[in-house]
Amino acid sequence: SQTIHQWPATLVQPVGSPLSLECTVEGTSNPNLYWYRQAAGRGLQLLFYSVGIGQISSEVPQNLSASRPQDRQFILSSKKLLLSDSGFYLCAWNRGGYYNEQFFGPGTRLTVL
Amino acid sequence: KQEVTQIPAALSVPEGENLVLNCSFTDSAIYNLQWFRQDPGKGLTSLLLIQSSQREQTSGRLNASLDKSSGRSTLYIAASQPGDSATYLCAVFRANAGKSTFGDGTTLTVKP
Repeated sequence: SQTIHQWPATLVQPVGSPLSLECTVEGTSNPNLYWYRQAAGRGLQLLFYSVGIGQISSEVPQNLSASRPQDRQFILSSKKLLLSDSGFYLCAWNRGGYYNEQFFGPGTRLTVL
Repeated sequence: KQEVTQIPAALSVPEGENLVLNCSFTDSAIYNLQWFRQDPGKGLTSLLLIQSSQREQTSGRLNASLDKSSGRSTLYIAASQPGDSATYLCAVFRANAGKSTFGDGTTLTVKP
C-alpha cells in the first residue's frame, strides 16, 4: 500500500529565516506530487506540482520554491520567510493518467513570528 | 478559469438526520470529482472519487452524485453520527491541466 509522509509536523520560525519542508511517498513510482497551502479558515491553494524528477510547475508567484531531487521526494523551500507564509502546508500525490485519485499527507503547521 | 463553490459553508444537524452537501463548478471539462473529509489540524482523507463518465459512487453511508452538464455534485450522508463532524471538501480534476481546484469546504457539526 502507499504511504505519504511529511515532516516536520509543526514548525515555528522567525521572519527572515530559511525553510525546508519535506514530503516522501512510499509504495508507488513516478507519482505526480503537489504542494498546497491552507490558510486559517480558507480553502486549499495549489503552490507547486511536479509530474517527474526536476519538473516543477509554479502556480503562485511568491518567495517559495520547490524541488524534486528523487522520484518520490518533494521539497518546499524558502530563503527568507515572511509573516504571510504562516499556514498549514499539505503534500499530495496521485498516479496521473485518467484515474487521478489524490491522496494527502498529514500536513505541516508553519507559524512565522 | 475553474471555480468551485460549496454551499452552505457550515451546517449543524441533530444525530440521525440525513443530509446533503453541495458542490458546484463552472467548467464542465473535468476528468473527475473527488470528495474529501478534513478533521481539525489534519490532512485530507479521500472519501469518494467520481469519474466524469459516472453518475454516482457509494461507500457505506456516503453517496456522491455528479451531473457534469449542470456543473453540480452532491454528497449524501445517511443517518449522520457525531463522528461525521468535520469539514468536507470537493475538488475537480481539470482535463489536460494535471491539477485540481478545491472548494472552500462545508463544516459539518452533528449534535448528539
